[in-house]
Amino acid sequence: SQTIHQWPATLVQPVGSPLSLECTVEGTSNPNLYWYRQAAGRGLQLLFYSVGIGQISSEVPQNLSASRPQDRQFILSSKKLLLSDSGFYLCAGVTGYPYNEQFFGPGTRLTVL
Amino acid sequence: DQQVKQNSPSLSVQEGRISILNCDYTNSMFDYFLWYKKYPAEGPTFLISISSIKDKNEDGRFTVFLNKSAKHLSLHIVPSQPGDSAVYFCAASKYGNKLVFGAGTILRVKS
Repeated sequence: SQTIHQWPATLVQPVGSPLSLECTVEGTSNPNLYWYRQAAGRGLQLLFYSVGIGQISSEVPQNLSASRPQDRQFILSSKKLLLSDSGFYLCAGVTGYPYNEQFFGPGTRLTVL
Repeated sequence: DQQVKQNSPSLSVQEGRISILNCDYTNSMFDYFLWYKKYPAEGPTFLISISSIKDKNEDGRFTVFLNKSAKHLSLHIVPSQPGDSAVYFCAASKYGNKLVFGAGTILRVKS
């Protein structure tokens, strides 16, 4: 079965520090991959998606970037974190039909102080 | 512009009764709708979906109804159980593209 791994589970970082969150996929190949953020009391906001190695689409202008160096690896980064980057970050993937039923990783809780 | 809206932030239901969670959308191009369930500090898990060519889909205790003319869908849980207490997200997509999520509804099932 398809599984998404994310780490770390929780992270506390000072303002201005860099960020790297990693997501890896197991049990499938050629997935579309997505990064979402859930801010406190809000829904899931799509940040980036990727349909293949090196292919990244950004949904909203922000302080973050994403990269996909391998088929099953998706990385979310920032050079300098802002307070507003705090939230719950989720990686999701989808393969095959139906192309909508995304499966999610366990998430990373990021607190920027 | 919120294309998918869940207007009830929370819902409280007695164990054994029916839970009805509602979702409205504005984009008539959406052709696939999904419900996800999320526990605190975990990723959402897929619950049930419905294509725009149907008006009902059932899976055990969960039924999703779609009213295209009203741009409205609902999730019915019967009977509700304490383990159903979670945040429920409605999501929509068009042509197998990205999902647009609602803000979520917190369901509390009281025993």
